Amino acid sequence: NAGVTQTPKFQVLKTGQSMTLQCAQDMNHNSMYWYRQDPGMGLRLIYYSASEGTTDKGEVPNGYNVSRLNKREFSLRLESAAPSQTSVYFCASSLRVGPGTDTQYFGPGTRLTVL
Amino acid sequence: KNEVEQSPQNLTAQEGEFITINCSYSVGISALHWLQQHPGGGIVSLFMLSSGKKKHGRLIATINIQEKHSSLHITASHPRDSAVYICAVRANTGNQFYFGTGTSLTVIP
Repeated sequence: NAGVTQTPKFQVLKTGQSMTLQCAQDMNHNSMYWYRQDPGMGLRLIYYSASEGTTDKGEVPNGYNVSRLNKREFSLRLESAAPSQTSVYFCASSLRVGPGTDTQYFGPGTRLTVL
Repeated sequence: KNEVEQSPQNLTAQEGEFITINCSYSVGISALHWLQQHPGGGIVSLFMLSSGKKKHGRLIATINIQEKHSSLHITASHPRDSAVYICAVRANTGNQFYFGTGTSLTVIP
């Protein structure tokens, strides 16, 4: 089992360009999450999907969109990248959202730089 | 406003030392998680706690719900324990997770 995979691992964009970060999990988990990690700050939730067909905003959703393509895949799109979106992005999944079932399994991360 | 505070921010220890990392939180929670982030960036979940104490190998995690405090202990520390340790809490209202900024641990041979 690969667990949680993310592509790409690294990306450099110019301001205004768009891109999609891909995430897939093979653990048959219901819930998936997108986080960003910035120096000196804890992980911050961008969006999550509690189950296939649903998505909800997290703490820092502005400038991002998500798609839960199917149970396995959850993508994050930057429509018009800004330097403030330079960060490391982590995808995670859990069996489901809720106490006792939400131990999260993380992907390896995508390091994004916006010039 | 940080719902989760960790201390210390940085910690250097000699191999073999007993290590304690602390986590305090300000919200009502249903569970607390300890995560380990390796130098290469990968994040692994170590423990999920809602009460009491859990042990896995040389790692021990405790939580005091009344005091809103948790500790992660590492016994007989080893250089391979060098990593960032992150405390996260699941709030008991809504579906929000709050993360601490992490404790960077370096264990010197």
